[in-house]
Amino acid sequence: DQQVKQNSPSLSVQEGRISILNCDYTNSMFDYFLWYKKYPAEGPTFLISISSIKDKNEDGRFTVFLNKSAKHLSLHIVPSQPGDSAVYFCAASDTGNQFYFGTGTSLTVIP
Amino acid sequence: KAGVTQTPRYLIKTRGQQVTLSCSPISGHRSVSWYQQTPGQGLQFLFEYFSETQRNKGNFPGRFSGRQFSNSRSEMNVSTLELGDSALYLCASRDRVETQYFGPGTRLLVL
Repeated sequence: DQQVKQNSPSLSVQEGRISILNCDYTNSMFDYFLWYKKYPAEGPTFLISISSIKDKNEDGRFTVFLNKSAKHLSLHIVPSQPGDSAVYFCAASDTGNQFYFGTGTSLTVIP
Repeated sequence: KAGVTQTPRYLIKTRGQQVTLSCSPISGHRSVSWYQQTPGQGLQFLFEYFSETQRNKGNFPGRFSGRQFSNSRSEMNVSTLELGDSALYLCASRDRVETQYFGPGTRLLVL
């Protein structure tokens, strides 16, 4: 049973525009959420995280929003750059125990 | 600090064989987790080791096993390989509760 879901397998965005990647989860006990970025032939790279006591966390061009009532989080990239083209995974955990990952969204930023 | 390293990077085996993959965590990290990544399935959690003890285990058959040494290095073993075991195997280490850092992965192909 997939506890973390990324329903969009792929997303294409023009350079300079906003990229919005979405993630839904089912377990209300999850209290920590992360986004990873993965290039082909490399391991996932940590991007940004948010704890359940917050609803927004920002780091440069990357912002993560958390809606606990909807069990939904999103990653906003503004402005999008061609180098952002990669697969993005969201992940969730309950107090640092097992991490659950989504199936990934492949982002293509078109120059 | 050096990142997470995994060896070998690529491996070709035949059905019925066994394989051992190795992971060296970031210096000071005592937790090592293993994941299997296949197309469309995201990252599936295999197990986590902390201070030489298995702390968490995913839903994989007993053919998948692991261990951790006193220096925190970890090995994963898969016995009686099946075609479906072809995947990217990722290792991740962490110090704090929240954030995992991944290695580049070992690409296993079972023929």
